[in-house]
Order: sequence, then structure tokens, then C-alpha cells
Amino acid sequence: NSKVIQTPRYLVKGQGQKAKMRCIPEKGHPVVFWYQQNKNNEFKFLINFQNQEVLQQIDMTEKRFSAECPSNSPCSLEIQSSEAGDSALYLCASSLGEYSYEQYFGPGTRLTVL
Amino acid sequence: GEQVEQRPPHLSVREGDSAVITCTYTDPNSYYFFWYKQEPGASLQLLMKVFSSTEINEGQGFTVLLNKKDKRLSLNLTAAHPGDSAAYFCAVSAGGTGYQNFYFGKGTSLTVIP
Repeated sequence: NSKVIQTPRYLVKGQGQKAKMRCIPEKGHPVVFWYQQNKNNEFKFLINFQNQEVLQQIDMTEKRFSAECPSNSPCSLEIQSSEAGDSALYLCASSLGEYSYEQYFGPGTRLTVL
Repeated sequence: GEQVEQRPPHLSVREGDSAVITCTYTDPNSYYFFWYKQEPGASLQLLMKVFSSTEINEGQGFTVLLNKKDKRLSLNLTAAHPGDSAAYFCAVSAGGTGYQNFYFGKGTSLTVIP
């Protein structure tokens, strides 16, 4: 069973508010991924890290989303100004990286933007 | 980018019957393929991974077949039981390392009727 921890499980924000969620990857996993799963079960990759370094991020993440994985602290994903279309399940996954291809997912943070 | 199509979106079978879920993908350079199970309120649980060009992998009560020539991946639950009721997702790795994000199908909601 996955040991990726995500907090909070549920987050409710008004439009224009900041929304921040956190992820603790499995111990020893240097690679962290963030995905958005919308109500239609469409998954969108947002950003990934190796340790503290950003590997890839999509354009949406570059503009309204900010993310970091500081040393010895949880990774975080923050939406600077929430929009109704951001309502979704945000999934964090971790991996050993390089030649280990499996990604292990946390339970997600369900964001509702009113 | 890679596009993954999963069928059917909903599947209802009786206990003891088989259930088949299929994904097709477009990028012939995709390397690694995964099936995940998601129960309500829970995280994505890794069921099976498959890497070789044409491979059959067997798990507890299910079989996974990959046909790279046809760019098709399937999950066959051989004798479904009520505990198998969940959403199932296929995932395709975008590249040849563990740093690459996944592309997901839109899921199959499986209901097993006792």
C-alpha cells in the first residue's frame, strides 16, 4: 500500500482565494509528481520534481500554480487565485525515478472552489 | 502528445463472470504501462505493470495483456467478485525513464453484482 501522505483531504475556497495542499512522498523517493483529476476522470499532469528541482511543468502551472519541494519539508502545490475550473482532485505521486517507473499515489486533496 | 482511450466507461458484471477493460494509445514510443484501481475516497492502487512488447502478466484474479504492435493494453478480471467493484485506470508512461509523467485513460467504473 502507498505511503504517500497528502493534506488536507478536503479544501473549500472562494474564487480568487489561495489554495495550498501538501504532500509527503514515500521515504526514499526523490521524484514527486502532481496531477489534477477532474470530475470527468481526466488526468492532467501539472509538475514534477527530483528532490528540490523542477523537472517538467505545464503552462498552467507556470502561470497560476506554484509548487515546491523544499529539503526536509513537505512538497506543496498552491493555486494563487482559485477559479471554479480548478475544482478537482489533486493527486501527488512519488517514485524512485530513473529506472523505476512505478508511481505511488496519495489519497489526494479534493478542492472545491465556490 | 500521447492520447489514451479506455473502454468501456462503465461495466456491470455478475459475480464469477469475467470483465475486460481495454486501452489503446497513440505514441509508438511509449514504454511502460500500468493498471490502477481506485475505490471511492481512496488513492490509486497499483495493480500491475507491464513493459515488454507483447506480454501477459497474471496477478491475483486478473491478467494483463500488452500488444505493442496494435498499441493495445487490456485488463481481464477472470472471476469478478464484489470486492473488485471500483474504478480502473490504465496509465502509459511518456518516456523511457522514471522521471516521465503518465498519461491516463478516463477510467472504467466496474460494478460486480453479487
